Amino acid sequence: AQSVTQLGSHVSVSEGALVLLRCNYSSSVPPYLFWYVQYPNQGLQLLLKYTTGATLVKGINGFEAEFKKSETSFHLTKPSAHMSDAAEYFCAVTHGSSNTGKLIFGQGTTLQVKP
Amino acid sequence: EAGVAQSPRYKIIEKRQSVAFWCNPISGHATLYWYQQILGQGPKLLIQFQNNGVVDDSQLPKDRFSAERLKGVDSTLKIQPAKLEDSAVYLCASSFQGPNGYTFGSGTRLTVV
Repeated sequence: AQSVTQLGSHVSVSEGALVLLRCNYSSSVPPYLFWYVQYPNQGLQLLLKYTTGATLVKGINGFEAEFKKSETSFHLTKPSAHMSDAAEYFCAVTHGSSNTGKLIFGQGTTLQVKP
Repeated sequence: EAGVAQSPRYKIIEKRQSVAFWCNPISGHATLYWYQQILGQGPKLLIQFQNNGVVDDSQLPKDRFSAERLKGVDSTLKIQPAKLEDSAVYLCASSFQGPNGYTFGSGTRLTVV
């Protein structure tokens, strides 16, 4: 069975500081990994995804994540936080070699950006 | 490209009442998903359709929840009767195939009082 653990339900950073949101996954098969962002009263917006190939994945709004198989991690980073980055972030995993597409989500991390 | 459309955006009902949500996926997307997102949690898959057939409904509370996807396009999710613990955001998503082109709608926020 697949699962996702996001370490830290709340992360607070100052504007301009590094953002690091942690995600660890469990999967017995090659995973596809995703980061989504959710603003209040909105749906989920895809930030980036890893399927195969390059392990460092770049996404929208300056975010990137690195797939580390040995550590079963897919941490999300951004060099310099902006006030508009304040939102809920979800890491998700799906079966990489299947077409079902069912996403297993972590519990989410709320990012607060202080001026 | 139009996104995934959902309606209504908000719904407040009393417990034991019934409610229905509607989803129109992206044109050409064969796979449609309904997720339940309880406050403070990540979304959880309720049901997945491939065209108009059910692929996975293992986490759908079938005693009160039902869903259909007539003609392999639009879908409706129904709850009857609703319980307080059904208060959540119901997200619809569609994809071209599996995880490819996965797109979420804005969701329907249900409050059961």
